[in-house]
Amino acid sequence: SQKIEQNSEALNIQEGKTATLTCNYTNYSPAYLQWYRQDPGRGPVFLLLIRENEKEKRKERLKVTFDTTLKQSLFHITASQPADSATYLCALDWGSYIPTFGRGTSLIVHP
Amino acid sequence: DAEITQSPRHKITETGRQVTLACHQTWNHNNMFWYRQDLGHGLRLIHYSYGVHDTNKGEVSDGYSVSRSNTEDLPLTLESAASSQTSVYFCASSDGTGGAETQYFGPGTRLLVL
Repeated sequence: SQKIEQNSEALNIQEGKTATLTCNYTNYSPAYLQWYRQDPGRGPVFLLLIRENEKEKRKERLKVTFDTTLKQSLFHITASQPADSATYLCALDWGSYIPTFGRGTSLIVHP
Repeated sequence: DAEITQSPRHKITETGRQVTLACHQTWNHNNMFWYRQDLGHGLRLIHYSYGVHDTNKGEVSDGYSVSRSNTEDLPLTLESAASSQTSVYFCASSDGTGGAETQYFGPGTRLLVL
């Protein structure tokens, strides 16, 4: 079965630095991959989507890469701010139109 | 603005009771989903629906049921609540017209089964 791995340890970084979060998967590459943000006590909120034939997507300070050879997606937040502190989930869809979510990685940006 | 709402936001119930969690969306989306989120497990799919009168089981459907009588609502019923069903429940919807399906989530319902 497909597995999705996100680092369970929180990522602590200083304000202004670039945060990089990792999402690894096994077996087959998904048709597309999404990243969501979740704040405590709230539902996930969609951030970015990248398709299997795309290498990189950007939106303001956010960048997602997708490497089907490494079976990995990287999520970058440049010039990070304390307000970026949250849990970030990756979600993969292998063509069923139902994403499977990773467990998420907590990001803590220190002022 | 379109939105997706859940009620109640918090619920305490006793083992063996029937509980229904409501989910209502005004996006006019075809697809609706129920997830539970627990520490160490992430989001797990309970049930989903591709449209009116359509329902499907997800990864952890035992002890849960749903029905879809209109586009806007997908209530989740716990037939006989168990302590193992203590969790945070999220409803989500997506367009369902094909292609990449971004999900829109509700605020969640925190359920405690005593």
